[in-house]
Amino acid sequence: KNEVEQSPQNLTAQEGEFITINCSYSVGISALHWLQQHPGGGIVSLFMLSSGKKKHGRLIATINIQEKHSSLHITASHPRDSAVYICAVSAGANSKLTFGKGITLSVRP
Amino acid sequence: KAGVTQTPRYLIKTRGQQVTLSCSPISGHRSVSWYQQTPGQGLQFLFEYFSETQRNKGNFPGRFSGRQFSNSRSEMNVSTLELGDSALYLCASSFTLAGVNEQFFGPGTRLTVL
Repeated sequence: KNEVEQSPQNLTAQEGEFITINCSYSVGISALHWLQQHPGGGIVSLFMLSSGKKKHGRLIATINIQEKHSSLHITASHPRDSAVYICAVSAGANSKLTFGKGITLSVRP
Repeated sequence: KAGVTQTPRYLIKTRGQQVTLSCSPISGHRSVSWYQQTPGQGLQFLFEYFSETQRNKGNFPGRFSGRQFSNSRSEMNVSTLELGDSALYLCASSFTLAGVNEQFFGPGTRLTVL
């Protein structure tokens, strides 16, 4: 079993839909990271969470430490949101990230 | 501030050769981590350098090595290249805030081994 599991594996949505991507982890963590990777390779850090909820524009990330679960929500989705979304965890001040396999999101116009 | 830069962006080598990749972190960041991304294995941690010292290492063979200079720039080296080393190599620089590292990724170097 992987330490970080993401679901669903692939996701297709229509423009405007509300999207939820889930991440579960099995180890103790100090922070959970949501990353976005567009075709071509560049990775952008969207959120770093250690508790509660964060919001940035149309993106919302939540984490439940007791249940070892996090969700990334995209409101009013747009084709430019099409990307791979990767969940990663870190422990302590350790920079080492352990990654999920990522979810490929495709938003159709 | 300028972001994380990596050079070269693309590289083609043949089996048995060696390669050196470079990463310049964001000014003021003292930690640099390296990651390998392949279609089969996804993203995997290679190693982390902090203040010129390797602080953490992933499960990769000794052919993979790295170093960090006094200006925090880092290089990673892969010797005796194998076909399976073809991958996107990403570096990330980070600073520590409240005991947690936020990482900023570079654009990556895409290595193809023929």
